[in-house]
Amino acid sequence: EAGVTQSPTHLIKTRGQQATLRCSPISGHTSVYWYQQALGLGLQFLLWYDEGEERNRGNFPPRFSGRQFPNYSSELNVNALELEDSALYLCASSFRGYTTDTQYFGPGTRLTVL
Amino acid sequence: ELKVEQNPLFLSMQEGKNYTIYCNYSTTSDRLYWYRQDPGKSLESLFVLLSNGAVKQEGRLMASLDTKARLSTLHITAAVHDLSATYFCAVANTNAGKSTFGDGTTLTVKP
Repeated sequence: EAGVTQSPTHLIKTRGQQATLRCSPISGHTSVYWYQQALGLGLQFLLWYDEGEERNRGNFPPRFSGRQFPNYSSELNVNALELEDSALYLCASSFRGYTTDTQYFGPGTRLTVL
Repeated sequence: ELKVEQNPLFLSMQEGKNYTIYCNYSTTSDRLYWYRQDPGKSLESLFVLLSNGAVKQEGRLMASLDTKARLSTLHITAAVHDLSATYFCAVANTNAGKSTFGDGTTLTVKP
């Protein structure tokens, strides 16, 4: 069974640009979660999508947004990039949109903002 | 707001020794996870602990959960170099669809 996949692996942007990160969940999983792992800040919850709807978001500004497609894949968009957005962005998926199901993580996208 | 504290944050140990990583959390939760992360890599799920008194073991690692004390431990027995990694505990937030992570414990096992 294929795991969570993310693309691209690495992404280099400059300040002010927009970045788009993509995630495909494990087959059968309907929930997708996004986390940011920035140096010195640990793993921070960004967004949770389930059945195409945004269910919850962490303490991030509105320029962090995303969506979930009918096939349950997801996209994270970061607008007006700032230097501090440089981080590893991890996507996870679970079978249901409840915390009783384990989240399986993808390999991540490393975003570098210059 | 749920807070998760891990200690120690850095741990250097010799092969063959035992040690314990602690994870304290501030409010009740559905479940607690332990993950392993190798440098530059993603998170690998190690254990999921569901209820008070739960104990799970895999190889040289054993995790336990005390929900009354809001404490989980990850015990390492007879450490080997391959266990060198960063270990995170994470606590699930009820109905919030997210896990709150501790800051991680970076373990280095030396010969």
